[in-house]
Amino acid sequence: GENVEQHPSTLSVQEGDSAVIKCTYSDSASNYFPWYKQELGKRPQLIIDIRSNVGEKKDQRIAVTLNKTAKHFSLHITETQPEDSAVYFCAAYPLAGTYKYIFGTGTRLKVLA
Amino acid sequence: EAQVTQNPRYLITVTGKKLTVTCSQNMNHEYMSWYRQDPGLGLRQIYYSMNVEVTDKGDVPEGYKVSRKEKRNFPLILESPSPNQTSLYFCASSFSSGGTDTQYFGPGTRLTVL
Repeated sequence: GENVEQHPSTLSVQEGDSAVIKCTYSDSASNYFPWYKQELGKRPQLIIDIRSNVGEKKDQRIAVTLNKTAKHFSLHITETQPEDSAVYFCAAYPLAGTYKYIFGTGTRLKVLA
Repeated sequence: EAQVTQNPRYLITVTGKKLTVTCSQNMNHEYMSWYRQDPGLGLRQIYYSMNVEVTDKGDVPEGYKVSRKEKRNFPLILESPSPNQTSLYFCASSFSSGGTDTQYFGPGTRLTVL
């Protein structure tokens, strides 16, 4: 079935380095791609999103890029800080003919001080 | 305060005993959704609702029911819970009925079915 593949599943970086998380989606009908951050024991929260009519979006240290042709999108975090440590989920919406969200399986990011 | 609330936050029950997890939002959101979160599987959508009386299946609807009789409430019903429904459940809502904007998640309900 339709899915979203997310890589890597875990990522460790030194504080101050950059982190990149990649997602690939299969349904060409998807046109909205949010990223959620989930800190330990907390609820997921939106950190950035991108729509299919835009190739890149940036918000301070966070950016998302989208390649519609290749059906993949990536989260870029620059100058990482310990508080960036969390699980990050990508998602694609909608699944063709539905109003359904498909989430990736998550990336656990550890920023080492 | 704008928020999504869920109750209960924690629940331990036994196989076959019907239960309901409530979800309520006070932001006048159109789109509401239920997810389950399991290790290694991410967030999987159970059901969603685009508006009052409009619901549809997500990726993993088996064993669950929902209703949307009022805009603010979207309860999740497990008529005959089984151990494989042990999970962390999140309710979420977003402003537009199309769903293409920020989803606000509730605090989660940790369910254990023995």
